[in-house]
Amino acid sequence: EAQVTQNPRYLITVTGKKLTVTCSQNMNHEYMSWYRQDPGLGLRQIYYSMNVEVTDKGDVPEGYKVSRKEKRNFPLILESPSPNQTSLYFCASSNRGRSTEAFFGQGTRLTVV
Amino acid sequence: AQKITQTQPGMFVQEKEAVTLDCTYDTSDPSYGLFWYKQPSSGEMIFLIYQGSYDQQNATEGRYSLNFQKARKSANLVISASQLGDSAMYFCAMREGPPGSQGNLIFGKGTKLSVKP
Repeated sequence: EAQVTQNPRYLITVTGKKLTVTCSQNMNHEYMSWYRQDPGLGLRQIYYSMNVEVTDKGDVPEGYKVSRKEKRNFPLILESPSPNQTSLYFCASSNRGRSTEAFFGQGTRLTVV
Repeated sequence: AQKITQTQPGMFVQEKEAVTLDCTYDTSDPSYGLFWYKQPSSGEMIFLIYQGSYDQQNATEGRYSLNFQKARKSANLVISASQLGDSAMYFCAMREGPPGSQGNLIFGKGTKLSVKP
């Protein structure tokens, strides 16, 4: 089954404790991205990757890091989480092309206390 | 400036009636694609429908259709014969660039649709 898998689904952590949210896709997609969703703000892009070893900032990259060492994986790293990073996070992947739909992971609900 | 504007934070519709969710967009690129996604309360993002800027006809997918008015830069989603399961958040999104390119998908803030029995 074609899918994007994120882990964990839910996470409560403390300020400053480094964490990684994993994302893996099995569709051989070149393009992957991370979004955060906050009430009233919709989905905002954090980082994206056009291919292996090619990553770039989205609209809200501060406080986040990513890496793309393999085509299928695109982890999101929070080196020192803060309460304003409490949010619902989505990983998405798509084939090359303007008309291709993005496939989303199930989401990770992160709470930083 | 916002690239995707959804002016209706929340809407109600009676079951079995049709409903239109508004979306306007802002781009100077002549080539772009427009998407609608549904997010039920369970949280997943479900792709509904796509419209290309050069498509001559409005896109349709089952009970979903896209009312594309290029000159007005609007791409409204029409849901016919609403069902209780249509209650969800709906997001309009745009990707700029020619067909072979891979621009970023930009989202609006969403419209929460509630279907009344």
